[in-house]
This record gives sequence, C-alpha cells and structure tokens, in this order.
Amino acid sequence: KAGVTQTPRYLIKTRGQQVTLSCSPISGHRSVSWYQQTPGQGLQFLFEYFSETQRNKGNFPGRFSGRQFSNSRSEMNVSTLELGDSALYLCASSLVVGTGELFFGEGSRLTVL
Amino acid sequence: DQQVKQNSPSLSVQEGRISILNCDYTNSMFDYFLWYKKYPAEGPTFLISISSIKDKNEDGRFTVFLNKSAKHLSLHIVPSQPGDSAVYFCATRRATNKLIFGTGTLLAVQP
Repeated sequence: KAGVTQTPRYLIKTRGQQVTLSCSPISGHRSVSWYQQTPGQGLQFLFEYFSETQRNKGNFPGRFSGRQFSNSRSEMNVSTLELGDSALYLCASSLVVGTGELFFGEGSRLTVL
Repeated sequence: DQQVKQNSPSLSVQEGRISILNCDYTNSMFDYFLWYKKYPAEGPTFLISISSIKDKNEDGRFTVFLNKSAKHLSLHIVPSQPGDSAVYFCATRRATNKLIFGTGTLLAVQP
C-alpha cells in the first residue's frame, strides 16, 4: 500500500511569491491534516479536512489556505510568502477522524529567500 | 503558550538499558495522548497511544504511562536499541485529529 505522497519535496521561493503544496493520502483515507514544522515552534497544526470539508483550522494567518478534493487529495497554499514561512510542511492522513493516529508523508521543505 | 512540554531536548542511553522520555501537559480536558517517532528526512511515525481513562499501555518494548493528577506522560523503551535513535514527540488531542505536539526529545542510543 502506498504511503502519503507529498509534492514537491523541496522548493525555494522568494518573499511575496505564493506556493501550492500537494498531498495524496493513503488509499481509502478520507481525513487529511497539514502541519508546519520549524526549529523554533516544533510541529504546529494548520488544517484538517474530511470529505472535502475543513473541520479544524490552526492559528495561522489567512495567507495559509487549503482544500480537499473529492478523491481525498489535498492542497495547501501560502500567499505573499514571508521569510518565517520557511519550514517543513507535513501532510498526514487517517482512515477515521478522532484517533489522532496519523500517517505522515515525508514533507515538503519550503525555503523562502 | 506551550500546552505540551518536553523539557529534555535530548537524552543519551546505552544500548540495552531503559530509555525514559517525559512529557507534561497543561489542560486536563485532553483525553488522548500519543507518541510519535521521527527519523531525519522522514515524516513522524505513530508509535503508541493512551486514553485518559487508562494509566498504562504497553506494546512490545514500548510502554506509555499516564499520571493524570500530575498531568504527566512518559514513554519507556526497554531494552533500548540503536535503531531507536530518533526524535520522539508526545502529542495530545481532544476528539479530533488536531494534534498538539511537544517540541520533541532527541534520543541517542549508544551501542
């Protein structure tokens, strides 16, 4: 069974640009969550989607947005990039909502210059 | 405000000995606790969990203890193996998949 796939794995952007990150969950998993990992803040929750609906949102500015498609694939978008957005963005999927037992992808490493 | 704290950024243990990783939380409403392990260049991997109605859960070499009165969680690894060397995150949630993670503890198991 294929794991959670995130693309791209690495990307470099400049301040003010926008970026879209993609996540394909494990087949059959309908819940997708996104997390940001930085050295200073650790793993911070961004969003959670289930059946194309956002169920939860973390404490991030409106520049961070996401969506989920009917095939459970998800994208997140960050507009007007800032230096502080440099981070590892992790996508996780789960079969059900509520257990917290998530399967994470390897992440997309974003560097903002 | 850190709701989940791992006060030891690193821990070094000899192979075969016990590793004890600690975690403190602030909100008594949290009902489920988890431990994740992360190797470099990989995403976190779920390790073990415990519900707030229990005080212990065991899975092979891994045991998680929960002390609700102290709001304290610990992970015991016995015996420790070099392959256990990784960053360990404790996490908690309230009835959703929105996890609140600690800052992690880097475990180094020396051969």
